[in-house]
Amino acid sequence: DVKVTQSSRYLVKRTGEKVFLECVQDMDHENMFWYRQDPGLGLRLIYFSYDVKMKEKGDIPEGYSVSREKKERFSLILESASTNQTSMYLCASNLAGSTDTQYFGPGTRLTVL
Amino acid sequence: AQKVTQAQTEISVVEKEDVTLDCVYETRDTTYYLFWYKQPPSGELVFLIRRNSFDEQNEISGRYSWNFQKSTSSFNFTITASQVVDSAVYFCALSPSGGSYIPTFGRGTSLIVHP
Repeated sequence: DVKVTQSSRYLVKRTGEKVFLECVQDMDHENMFWYRQDPGLGLRLIYFSYDVKMKEKGDIPEGYSVSREKKERFSLILESASTNQTSMYLCASNLAGSTDTQYFGPGTRLTVL
Repeated sequence: AQKVTQAQTEISVVEKEDVTLDCVYETRDTTYYLFWYKQPPSGELVFLIRRNSFDEQNEISGRYSWNFQKSTSSFNFTITASQVVDSAVYFCALSPSGGSYIPTFGRGTSLIVHP
């Protein structure tokens, strides 16, 4: 059974803290994605990675960075968390060069105080 | 540029009612793919259906059916005899058939089914 896991379901951090959100997939997928989900705004793409050490900015990359050192793991980094980054973060993966469905993790609800 | 519009922000129905969720898309591509995902309260998006732009046949899966009409750029989703377990946020998405293949999502429709 395909699986995308995220390190935390709920996370509370303080303004200015460095935050790491981890995502792991066990399907040997090349593509991995980080989305942010806010009420009324749907899913917005933060970053996308199509291979190890490769990344592309999505629609809202400001304030975020990513790391992909291994194929199965894609990390989202908030260098200095701010209250406007309070949101639900969703990780997804799929096969390279395909229109295959994306497989999503359960999400991390991050609150920045 | 691609765009997906789900004009219905929230729909509230009573159990056993039929309900249709609208999805209208814009794209310049001649080949593309359309998706529907369900996001239950647990949070994880679950794939429901994928349809390519050359296949306009309607699809039925149990109580779920999908109506794809290229002429109106719509890919609507109907739930027949809704149940409380259908309560979720539903997303429509559009993916190009080439390039980066990155999909564009609609803003989602929240469906609430009351017992």
